[in-house]
Amino acid sequence: EIVLTQSPGTLSLSPGERATLSCRASQSVTRNYLAWYQQKPGQAPRLLVYGASSRATGIPGRFSGSGSGTDFTLTISRLEPEDFAVYYCQQYGNSPNTFGQGTKLEIK
Amino acid sequence: QVQLVQSGAEVKKPGSSVKVSCKASGGTFNTYAISWVRQAPGQGLEWMGGIIPIFGTENYAQKLQGRVTITADESTDTAYMELSSLRSDDTAVYYCTRGFVVIPACYYMDVWGQGTTVTVSS
Repeated sequence: EIVLTQSPGTLSLSPGERATLSCRASQSVTRNYLAWYQQKPGQAPRLLVYGASSRATGIPGRFSGSGSGTDFTLTISRLEPEDFAVYYCQQYGNSPNTFGQGTKLEIK
Repeated sequence: QVQLVQSGAEVKKPGSSVKVSCKASGGTFNTYAISWVRQAPGQGLEWMGGIIPIFGTENYAQKLQGRVTITADESTDTAYMELSSLRSDDTAVYYCTRGFVVIPACYYMDVWGQGTTVTVSS
């Protein structure tokens, strides 16, 4: 199965700053079938990005996904207070579906 | 806009089974997959398995193969996840999700239920 490694484990930034989260796959992800999710404490995850770069319905434009093959990035252009959460990547190009271990984005 | 509504919290003894339900409201399963993802306390997300009701096909994480069964009742738009031979490390929040299928058994999850806490304790 494909192992996804997210970095950093924790990212400390201030509102208004730019956040760059990384997701690296142990082998190439078929057709760049990679998604990103946001999870806040006590809530279910929410889909942000699918197909590596397509924003899900209702997701603000400050969230953008990029990358291909084995290296993918989620960028939040200007952090809002509500963006501090845990972010997970997931690949769905190869069975079984697998998740990364998550990156916690915390307020500095 | 479809919502997934899950059954309530459960407390189970080691060795027993649990069955969690997930009902779609405001829509149907249609051609989507319904999958289950769990999250142990303070841990990340773990995909457990899924079913594509229109095709009747199921697939499961190898780690849970033989202990987990996922079914769906299209007439009531309700899916079920049953986990047997429960252990303490099965204590987790269990989420049902709607999966957008791109290739067989592979999907991203665009709608999530509210989660069901399952506690396994003697």
